[in-house]
This record gives sequence, structure tokens and C-alpha cells, in this order.
Amino acid sequence: TQLLEQSPQFLSIQEGENLTVYCNSSSVFSSLQWYRQEPGEGPVLLVTVVTGGEVKKLKRLTFQFGDARKDSSLHITAAQPGDTGLYLCAGPEYGGATNKLIFGTGTLLAVQP
Amino acid sequence: DAGVIQSPRHEVTEMGQEVTLRCKPISGHDYLFWYRQTMMRGLELLIYFNNNVPIDDSGMPEDRFSAKMPNASFSTLKIQPSEPRDSAVYFCASRTGGQNTGELFFGEGSRLTVL
Repeated sequence: TQLLEQSPQFLSIQEGENLTVYCNSSSVFSSLQWYRQEPGEGPVLLVTVVTGGEVKKLKRLTFQFGDARKDSSLHITAAQPGDTGLYLCAGPEYGGATNKLIFGTGTLLAVQP
Repeated sequence: DAGVIQSPRHEVTEMGQEVTLRCKPISGHDYLFWYRQTMMRGLELLIYFNNNVPIDDSGMPEDRFSAKMPNASFSTLKIQPSEPRDSAVYFCASRTGGQNTGELFFGEGSRLTVL
């Protein structure tokens, strides 16, 4: 069974601080996605990374896919209260051989004003 | 365009009762997924459909769970009989195409509490 482990599980920081969230696996993924889920809502896609070593930026968020395509990170610069939520990484099972998307364990971020 | 629509948003029922959750995917999406989210296990895939046909139901916990998709615009997830351990948020999601890099669009979820 492929697993996506995220760390940390919980993170509480002050507005303006920087942070990094990690998504790790022992398996190779053909691509990884990052979703953000706010309370009472479903996850919403932030980004998809498909190439080993790829870096994508979305305003204050920077996403990186590991060279070996086994891990990914999300860095937030100058966090704001609106960044609060559950961050989930996700990848296609068995390198995309199926259409199943498996989700990581999640990182719950709270940004205090 | 409307997103994925789920009903009910909240359901409280007693152990042993039948529960039916409903989902209307985004028009034109040919993949539909049912996920369950709990604090202990996170987001788990229960079953998914392609063009209304169930493709993989290996995530369905046991025979008490069943899912149908009678047409492209409607799917149900049924639990009969329900048990307290079924308490969770159930999400329906849809996607277009077969590429695994495609975006999954989630509904707002159905929060189920079984007493």
C-alpha cells in the first residue's frame, strides 16, 4: 500500500511567519497535487507538480517536487490568517496505473492574527 | 456552473437505520469518487465510477455499504444498517478525463453521525 506521510501534523503560527509543510513517501509518484481544505468544505486544488525537481509558485506559496518524485514540500511566506486550513498532498496510486488518487495524512495549519 | 452538490449536509441517525447520501457531479465529468474523512484515517477512497460504471470498490468497508450511479448526473452511497463507527464526513468528487493530473472537484460533504 502506498502511503503519503505529511509533517508536521499540526502547526500554529503567528501572522507574518514563514513555514514549510512536507509530504513524503517511500514510493515514486508520477505526479503530486496539493489541496487546501477549509472547515465545513471539501478540499480545493492548489497545484499539480509532475516533473522531478519542479518548483511552482502561487503568490506566497512555493511548491517543490523532489528529484526522485518521492516527496514534495509546500512553503508559505509571510503567512496570513486566510492561509488557515488543512493542507493535503495527493498522488495517483501505482504511478497512475489506476485512476485512484490517494491522500496524505494532512497538516492542519492555524495562523493567528 | 454549479459545483458538485451533495445532500444532506448533515445527518444524525440511530444505529441500525438506513442512510442514503446523494451526489450530483459537475456536468460533463465522467469520473465520480466517494471518499470518507475521519480524524483517525484521513481521506479514504471508498469507490469510484467511470461513465456511470463502478470501477473499483475495494475501499468500501463492508457489505453494509453500497453505491450506485444510475445516470451521469446522480449517485448514491447507502449504508444499511448504519453503525456508530460509520460516523464521518462523506465527500463526493468528480473529474473529467482519465489523466491522473486532473483536478478533483469536491462537494461540501455530508456529515454523518450515527448514535
